[in-house]
Amino acid sequence: DTAVSQTPKYLVTQMGNDKSIKCEQNLGHDTMYWYKQDSKKFLKIMFSYNNKELIINETVPNRFSPKSPDKAHLNLHINSLELGDSAVYFCASSQAGQGSGDEQFFGPGTRLTVL
Amino acid sequence: QQQVKQSPQSLIVQKGGISIINCAYENTAFDYFPWYQQFPGKGPALLIAIRPDVSEKKEGRFTISFNKSAKQFSLHIMDSQPGDSATYFCAASKNDYKLSFGAGTTVTVRA
Repeated sequence: DTAVSQTPKYLVTQMGNDKSIKCEQNLGHDTMYWYKQDSKKFLKIMFSYNNKELIINETVPNRFSPKSPDKAHLNLHINSLELGDSAVYFCASSQAGQGSGDEQFFGPGTRLTVL
Repeated sequence: QQQVKQSPQSLIVQKGGISIINCAYENTAFDYFPWYQQFPGKGPALLIAIRPDVSEKKEGRFTISFNKSAKQFSLHIMDSQPGDSATYFCAASKNDYKLSFGAGTTVTVRA
């Protein structure tokens, strides 16, 4: 009965490869997010979708492409992986949007290591 | 640039002591100030949140103090316990879906 789940939990890959991270939420929420947490634990939002519509697209390299097939899923595809992409990626969801003060529920994270 | 500045980076407190984490912001349009708690290997989880129309909010041993004129808010953990050892993030948002996080404070509670 996990609220927000991500797969895989760990991802180790070579530079230049393409990889995807999947996220699913069973909370019935309208909004989903991707965050990147670097080695210093700094959390930065990357993307947000509301009802499958992209509403936040921060200054992220266009090698990163989110896709929301439906309200319950938000996947992250990364092309041409670079060393600097190594981080923990968190998916999150909320009922409506951040501005309304809704609690965000985070997934367990995916630790990406690029060699 | 970081919109929410958090200090200290880390702190160590004895069991039963008080942990205090401070945050400051510049954007007066922010209207929601949550604190998230993150344990190693886990995702952050909402701990407590406040809006600028109140100066203090308490939930159990956790209290947020908010100073609108100074654009500062802080988290107080009373009677700190070893189970409180975690990284704490302050954050702020306005009505545009973006949640800006502070850099985090690692709290270690010594038994």
